Amino acid sequence: EDKVVQSPLSLVVHEGDTVTLNCSYEVTNFRSLLWYKQEKKAPTFLFMLTSSGIEKKSGRLSSILDKKELSSILNITATQTGDSAIYLCAVFPGTNAGKSTFGDGTTLTVKP
Amino acid sequence: GAVVSQHPSWVICKSGTSVKIECRSLDFQATTMFWYRQFPKQSLMLMATSNEGSKATYEQGVEKDKFLINHASLTLSTLTVTSAHPEDSSFYICSARESGGGPQHFGDGTRLSIL
Repeated sequence: EDKVVQSPLSLVVHEGDTVTLNCSYEVTNFRSLLWYKQEKKAPTFLFMLTSSGIEKKSGRLSSILDKKELSSILNITATQTGDSAIYLCAVFPGTNAGKSTFGDGTTLTVKP
Repeated sequence: GAVVSQHPSWVICKSGTSVKIECRSLDFQATTMFWYRQFPKQSLMLMATSNEGSKATYEQGVEKDKFLINHASLTLSTLTVTSAHPEDSSFYICSARESGGGPQHFGDGTRLSIL
């Protein structure tokens, strides 16, 4: 059975801190790994990673995939209270019709 | 960017009512759409995979007759919660994947409250 594990489950930091969220996976058929941010509504897409070692960056957020270690990290630098959310990691299978596997998420709380 | 529209955002209705939720991909075609359910402080639980023009694939434990899914076109999938009861109250989220292996995008979700 495909599995995606995120750590930590929950994290509380202060504004300005840098955080690293982890995602590891065990899937039979890997195509890509995605990161999402979920606040009060449904998840919003952050990054899609397909190739190992290539960093994707968007403002203060960045992410990288390590296919050898079957893992990915999401970094957030100079955190702000608006970064408080649940961050979800998902792995997509090799077929378009296949279902994705989501981790349980990391709840990040950024205190002022 | 790709947009998925889900409607309605919030539904409150009496027990025994059937509720239909629509999910539309606004600027891309989605051969496959997914329906999730999410309980407070929990992750997404996949209910079913909806394929255009064919029957949906339901996850184990999800009642097909209770949660009817129709994917009549490449841009629209509907989930009907039939004869809803209070235990069906939840946050339902749809998502659609861009063709060619692109990202999966989510609708804003529907909060369903059954009294």
